[in-house]
Amino acid sequence: DTAVSQTPKYLVTQMGNDKSIKCEQNLGHDTMYWYKQDSKKFLKIMFSYNNKELIINETVPNRFSPKSPDKAHLNLHINSLELGDSAVYFCASSHLPGRNQPQHFGDGTRLSIL
Amino acid sequence: KNEVEQSPQNLTAQEGEFITINCSYSVGISALHWLQQHPGGGIVSLFMLSSGKKKHGRLIATINIQEKHSSLHITASHPRDSAVYICAVSVKGGSEKLVFGKGTKLTVNP
Repeated sequence: DTAVSQTPKYLVTQMGNDKSIKCEQNLGHDTMYWYKQDSKKFLKIMFSYNNKELIINETVPNRFSPKSPDKAHLNLHINSLELGDSAVYFCASSHLPGRNQPQHFGDGTRLSIL
Repeated sequence: KNEVEQSPQNLTAQEGEFITINCSYSVGISALHWLQQHPGGGIVSLFMLSSGKKKHGRLIATINIQEKHSSLHITASHPRDSAVYICAVSVKGGSEKLVFGKGTKLTVNP
């Protein structure tokens, strides 16, 4: 049973398109995250949701819109894709913030913009 | 300057060697995490610690809160330990925001 699953694993698309990445966790966690790993392998937080409520929103272009229909799902929609959006996007989840629990990561979605 | 600095950036070792990877941070933290990213790309949490030392198999993680420094040690290294090891800190403030180091790429040769 996969704990944090992301789909798709690979996404190749043209500049200007709109795309979505889905994430689901079956760990019963309250908090979910989206991270971006750039070409130099540097990870950076994008968003965090706790029980469907946005709690972290780093300086991310508003072309990126997270959506959390319930606490087990956090999807990422990206409008008007740009070349610089090419990266690996990781979803993660953990228990409530402040409880210092480890985060569990999905396998990543490799987004390539042509 | 990044809030989390790791050294070395790259490390090559022979099988059986003792490995140390260092991490320094400059912000107030509630916890420090060591993560492992394999060549396939997946990320696994190895340790989360806020004081002292933790051990899991051949891996040992230590943290010195006063000096804002942590080390990850691998004893009797093996080629399957080859991966990128990432230090990350949970920044104090309650949102559990993780700030990451740039990673240390470890290659263990047989």
